[in-house]
Amino acid sequence: EDQVTQSPEALRLQEGESSSLNCSYTVSGLRGLFWYRQDPGKGPEFLFTLYSAGEEKEKERLKATLTKKESFLHITAPKPEDSATYLCAVLPSGGSYIPTFGRGTSLIVHP
Amino acid sequence: GAVVSQHPSWVICKSGTSVKIECRSLDFQATTMFWYRQFPKQSLMLMATSNEGSKATYEQGVEKDKFLINHASLTLSTLTVTSAHPEDSSFYICSAKTGGYEQYFGPGTRLTVT
Repeated sequence: EDQVTQSPEALRLQEGESSSLNCSYTVSGLRGLFWYRQDPGKGPEFLFTLYSAGEEKEKERLKATLTKKESFLHITAPKPEDSATYLCAVLPSGGSYIPTFGRGTSLIVHP
Repeated sequence: GAVVSQHPSWVICKSGTSVKIECRSLDFQATTMFWYRQFPKQSLMLMATSNEGSKATYEQGVEKDKFLINHASLTLSTLTVTSAHPEDSSFYICSAKTGGYEQYFGPGTRLTVT
């Protein structure tokens, strides 16, 4: 069974304090790993897709990396507006297009 | 690009009535759309997958007769909650898949059943 575990569940940072969120996964073949940002009361916003180990993608203060067992979302010098829940999802190999989502990491950045 | 809208953004209805939620892909054609339910501080729970022109595929435990899904066109899918009860109160989110693997989500609909 495909599993996605995100840690920590919650993270509080001071503005400018860099950190990383972790997404560990167990899947029978990986077609893609996705990162989303979700603000309270809104739908998830797509951030990145990673396809293979060693791949990295960046967007503003965010950088996502991928290994064969986990992905990290690095946040450099975060700002209060980066506060949100970050969701990770994996899409296994096969015919289905249904990804498995993790429970998310709730990030709060204090000014 | 890849914008998905939902309407309404919030709705309050009385127990026993039905509510329809629309999901539209605004700038792309979506052959596949998904409907999720999300409880407070929990992750997304997939309810069903709908493909244009065919019947929706429901996840185990989701009542087909209660949550009616119609994917009438490549840009529109609807979720109708029939005979709603207070336990159906939740945050419903749709998503749509483009030609790639990613899903793009709508802003969600908050349903409150009184």
